[in-house]
Amino acid sequence: SQTIHQWPATLVQPVGSPLSLECTVEGTSNPNLYWYRQAAGRGLQLLFYSVGIGQISSEVPQNLSASRPQDRQFILSSKKLLLSDSGFYLCASRRLAGALEQYFGPGTRLTVT
Amino acid sequence: GQNIDQPTEMTATEGAIVQINCTYQTSGFNGLFWYQQHAGEAPTFLSYNVLDGLEEKGRFSSFLSRSKGYSYLLLKELQMKDSASYLCAVSADYKLSFGAGTTVTVRA
Repeated sequence: SQTIHQWPATLVQPVGSPLSLECTVEGTSNPNLYWYRQAAGRGLQLLFYSVGIGQISSEVPQNLSASRPQDRQFILSSKKLLLSDSGFYLCASRRLAGALEQYFGPGTRLTVT
Repeated sequence: GQNIDQPTEMTATEGAIVQINCTYQTSGFNGLFWYQQHAGEAPTFLSYNVLDGLEEKGRFSSFLSRSKGYSYLLLKELQMKDSASYLCAVSADYKLSFGAGTTVTVRA
């Protein structure tokens, strides 16, 4: 079974500072990878997804970007954080072969002050 | 796009049964998923329906009617640990769109 790692677990950053969140996946190859954000008391919003190395699709226009430098590594970045970027960031993985369900990493809780 | 509706909150007694309804409108339907999310934690996968009918997994069952754009999650023999948010998600084009979630509170 696959295991998804995210770090850091918690982050407090000032407005205007840069951001880098990392997600790595073990136990599967060529997964589809996803970044979601969950604002307090809200549902999950899909931010980016990737079907392979260097292939990124953006779902919501914003000041965030994503990259996939390796098959099982997915990075979420920002050059300048906004207050509205605060939230719970979740990385998810779906195996290409088999069922369609996605499995989530433990998440990063970001507070922009 | 997707439009997914589920109730905001439900309360039930320990040992009882609760049914969480989910209605959706979508194009390119691949399947419907239910996730459980405890406060402060990541969602965990519960069930998946791609064809009409009932899928049973222990105390949890999920039903799908594609023609009606309707699903429900049935939680039986409720336990205190079942207090959580339950997320309905629709897969289209191999991407998931989530409802806002239903917070279930189990009381003794």
